[in-house]
Amino acid sequence: LAKTTQPISMDSYEGQEVNITCSHNNIATNDYITWYQQFPSQGPRFIIQGYKTKVTNEVASLFIPADRKSSTLSLPRVSLSDTAVYYCLVGGGFKTIFGAGTRLFVKA
Amino acid sequence: SAVISQKPSRDICQRGTSLTIQCQVDSQVTMMFWYRQQPGQSLTLIATANQGSEATYESGFVIDKFPISRPNLTFSTLTVSNMSPEDSSIYLCSVEATSGYEQYFGPGTRLTVT
Repeated sequence: LAKTTQPISMDSYEGQEVNITCSHNNIATNDYITWYQQFPSQGPRFIIQGYKTKVTNEVASLFIPADRKSSTLSLPRVSLSDTAVYYCLVGGGFKTIFGAGTRLFVKA
Repeated sequence: SAVISQKPSRDICQRGTSLTIQCQVDSQVTMMFWYRQQPGQSLTLIATANQGSEATYESGFVIDKFPISRPNLTFSTLTVSNMSPEDSSIYLCSVEATSGYEQYFGPGTRLTVT
């Protein structure tokens, strides 16, 4: 399983775009990249998943370069309610290993 | 997406006792997972539970301590046996989406062992 490395914490202000980068140098050919968001006292919530290039949904974009050794979660115009821990996971099937995650703190 | 509920939401237990946590899903799913999350930490996978077969445990977790049942495609239980204060944690169940590899999580059960 590919290990992931993310910044431990990030600060931002309301209305800004936030980009969280995850490194996964040992990603396997059949691995997907998945991001989750977790608020205190709640289970993680699926945000977005991708294999290569760019994926966009209603809440975020995921940028994956051609070598797939990293990925960037982009949150447009964050609000206070986006303060949470964000986890980057690499893998597929039932083997899911959570890394340490990135604590994002959005300030007014 | 699947809607997952867990019971109890929280409990305080005495050491040496056991607690069974229930996980109910609103749709039939093949794979269910149990995680532990200690305060301020990330999630650690305990085991994977498929209906009709024995659960598969991750390194560091054993069936005698964390027996799991999976009687049908919408329900699973995790028992934390012979509890000690080190078992104080949040226990979460999740299911794998039918359309991809993402998982959907329950709200968790906060366990405190005194």
